[in-house]
Amino acid sequence: QKEVEQNSGPLSVPEGAIASLNCTYSDRGSQSFFWYRQYSGKSPELIMSIYSNGDKEDGRFTAQLNKASQYVSLLIRDSQPSDSATYLCAVRPSGGSYIPTFGRGTSLIVHP
Amino acid sequence: DVKVTQSSRYLVKRTGEKVFLECVQDMDHENMFWYRQDPGLGLRLIYFSYDVKMKEKGDIPEGYSVSREKKERFSLILESASTNQTSMYLCASSPNPNEKLFFGSGTQLSVL
Repeated sequence: QKEVEQNSGPLSVPEGAIASLNCTYSDRGSQSFFWYRQYSGKSPELIMSIYSNGDKEDGRFTAQLNKASQYVSLLIRDSQPSDSATYLCAVRPSGGSYIPTFGRGTSLIVHP
Repeated sequence: DVKVTQSSRYLVKRTGEKVFLECVQDMDHENMFWYRQDPGLGLRLIYFSYDVKMKEKGDIPEGYSVSREKKERFSLILESASTNQTSMYLCASSPNPNEKLFFGSGTQLSVL
């Protein structure tokens, strides 16, 4: 069973701070990594995808991948109350069906 | 924009009823998925399909079946609904497993 682990939170940060969300995975051969945001009562939507080691930046969001340590993280700079949501990490395994496995999500609360 | 449409937002059924959840996507995607989402358990894959008339079991297929007669439509069937199938059901599609999933708005099913 390929595992994707996230701290369920909630992670509470003040407005304007950096929020750091982490995800570890068990399948060393995994190739594709995704961060989805899910607001309460809504469906998940993709924020970032990352495929190679290092950082990938998109606006206030930075995804970081370290395949040797088998973790992927999402940094949100200048956090806003509108960033309050559950963040889901998804990892595509190296074999089998190639279907992404989702973590259980981390709840982020940004307070004014 | 890709649109994934689920036929019902809320559904209430009785134990033992046969339940159909419909999902339609408008972007000619090969891959379609059915997930259920429960508090604390995250997204769990029920079934997926790579092509018309093709289906594969996910992690929790017991008590469910699926139908994909046309490329754009993927139906989830609960042959005899039970109370433990009360959940949020999310349909998704993607052009290939390496790309992001596009989710429908979800169906909250209550089985009484």
